Amino acid sequence: NAGVIQTPRHKVTGKGQEATLWCEPISGHSAVFWYRQTIVQGLEFLTYFRNQAPIDDSGMPKERFSAQMPNQSHSTLKIQSTQPQDSAVYLCASKDRGDERLFFGHGTKLSVL
Amino acid sequence: AQKVTQTQTSISVVEKTTVTMDCVYETRDSSYFLFWYKQTASGEIVFLIRQDSYKKENATVGHYSLNFQKPKSSIGLIITATQIEDSAVYFCAMREGEGGRALIFGTGTTVSVSP
Repeated sequence: NAGVIQTPRHKVTGKGQEATLWCEPISGHSAVFWYRQTIVQGLEFLTYFRNQAPIDDSGMPKERFSAQMPNQSHSTLKIQSTQPQDSAVYLCASKDRGDERLFFGHGTKLSVL
Repeated sequence: AQKVTQTQTSISVVEKTTVTMDCVYETRDSSYFLFWYKQTASGEIVFLIRQDSYKKENATVGHYSLNFQKPKSSIGLIITATQIEDSAVYFCAMREGEGGRALIFGTGTTVSVSP
């Protein structure tokens, strides 16, 4: 069990560019969550999927951010026209049905210059 | 709306002693789940312990235990016999039981354990 895999570990983009972050959940887990971590805001919930269907995206900024889960083995978080304030560590977590524990990936550190 | 508050920013303790961290939460649901997670210096976030709202008995796992005071909406974490490797940021979190809600985290408490 390799755990939750996030790629890339680090990403540097220029202001206005697009960034796509990838997450591979633990095999067999039914839910995938995206969080963003910054010093100022802490751990912020962004969105989550259950059985690949979007369940709650209440934490997602309405503009420029989107997430998808095209199959059970990966999810993507896309940020269009990145801004310096998007700089953060983006964390993906997965959860098995009937188990309340979240298993986190190591995160993708996004730096927008 | 659900909310989790950790007022202690940092705590320093000496190895082999006990450390207690506070957490209060807000929810309108009668059913909810409370958690503590640990983030190490490498950034890894791991689950430690959980308390279900309907359970009166405090959860205990290894040298982690909880002090669940439901009337006060409080869920404290107690670490006994601390070790250097317990130095980390500890996050309190809550998930409301209705409607498939996501886990919401507090701002974290940094614990430093010294020899």
